[in-house]
Amino acid sequence: AQTVTQSQPEMSVQEAETVTLSCTYDTSESDYYLFWYKQPPSRQMILVIRQEAYKQQNATENRFSVNFQKAAKSFSLKISDSQLGDAAMYFCAYRSAPSGANSKLTFGKGITLSVRP
Amino acid sequence: KAGVTQTPRYLIKTRGQQVTLSCSPISGHRSVSWYQQTPGQGLQFLFEYFSETQRNKGNFPGRFSGRQFSNSRSEMNVSTLELGDSALYLCASSLVREGVYEQYFGPGTRLTVT
Repeated sequence: AQTVTQSQPEMSVQEAETVTLSCTYDTSESDYYLFWYKQPPSRQMILVIRQEAYKQQNATENRFSVNFQKAAKSFSLKISDSQLGDAAMYFCAYRSAPSGANSKLTFGKGITLSVRP
Repeated sequence: KAGVTQTPRYLIKTRGQQVTLSCSPISGHRSVSWYQQTPGQGLQFLFEYFSETQRNKGNFPGRFSGRQFSNSRSEMNVSTLELGDSALYLCASSLVREGVYEQYFGPGTRLTVT
């Protein structure tokens, strides 16, 4: 079974600064997806960024980027130019591939990010 | 395009009662997954339905059940409610489009069992 570990329960960042959220996972599979989801106090889970394991290039979405280290089974999220609206709980998640199989996501425990003005 | 919708948003039930939660996926999405979120256990997978068939099931007791209709809408039922069933229940719909996997969550149903 796959596991996802987020060892930091809380982090804080100054507005406009950069912060990195860590995630490690364990799997015996070679093909999979990794995700970062954001859950603000409104509780709506929002997809931040997605990485396909077969892609060597790290995914980037505007101020959000990942550092995907497949051999180390590490998947960290970097938030640049942090904004007050980035304050939320962030979850790292794993999904097996290929498509056509199940869509089960395995989540880490999450990390609460606060942004200081 | 409308997102994933869940009804009701909030629910208060008494121990021993049963409850049904509803989820309408994004148009064109045929897979619907359910998750339970609690402060202690985090996000746990309940089950997934695809084309009206349960494709995967998490480690929950038989009191938790679900189904999917031909229009891809899904319902989740919990019978004989226990205090520990108090949680946020999230529904997610997913689709593989041009080789890219997409999964999006609804706003959740907050269930309180008293």
